[in-house]
Amino acid sequence: EAAVTQSPRNKVAVTGGKVTLSCNQTNNHNNMYWYRQDTGHGLRLIHYSYGAGSTEKGDIPDGYKASRPSQENFSLILELATPSQTSVYFCASGDRLGASQNTLYFGAGTRLSVL
Amino acid sequence: GDSVTQTEGPVTVSESESLIINCTYSATSIAYPNLFWYVRYPGEGLQLLLKVITAGQKGSSRGFEATYNKETTSFHLQKASVQESDSAVYYCALGDQGADRLTFGKGTQLIIQP
Repeated sequence: EAAVTQSPRNKVAVTGGKVTLSCNQTNNHNNMYWYRQDTGHGLRLIHYSYGAGSTEKGDIPDGYKASRPSQENFSLILELATPSQTSVYFCASGDRLGASQNTLYFGAGTRLSVL
Repeated sequence: GDSVTQTEGPVTVSESESLIINCTYSATSIAYPNLFWYVRYPGEGLQLLLKVITAGQKGSSRGFEATYNKETTSFHLQKASVQESDSAVYYCALGDQGADRLTFGKGTQLIIQP
């Protein structure tokens, strides 16, 4: 079964600390995405990737880095976490071609609190 | 830029009543928008509910329907008779043909009263 798994599911971090959010997909999709969801906002795209070794900036990339070391894994890195990065983060995978065209598959989300 | 506006929640509906969640879009950079409804049940990630990639067509799934209206730039979600299990957050989204990137609305929380 196609799946996107995020870890951790919940994280409490301190201001100025480094946080890494991980995402693994078994869909064999080329594209992967990191979104954040805040009250009063739709999902906003932070970074995305077209494949291993590729990362692209989304709409709100400031304060975040991304890493795609393999087809399956896509990480979001907060080098110096700030309270404004407190949010729920969603990872997704998708592909342009094939049966899953135009469909994104999401993980269950990571709730991050930066104190 | 592209944007999606949907009914502000929470929306409360009694079981077996009808439902409509409004969605309108602005696609300034996309020549042929594809439209989507995603749903997020408590504790889960978003999952695709339905999608329509051709103007004038209707999509349907699990009793929900939405028609892609290019003239009114709308993609309203409807259901004739809701169930308690429909309680969730619903997101309208807009993408290009390749759907490399989706633009999401703010989400509408739906609460079904028994």
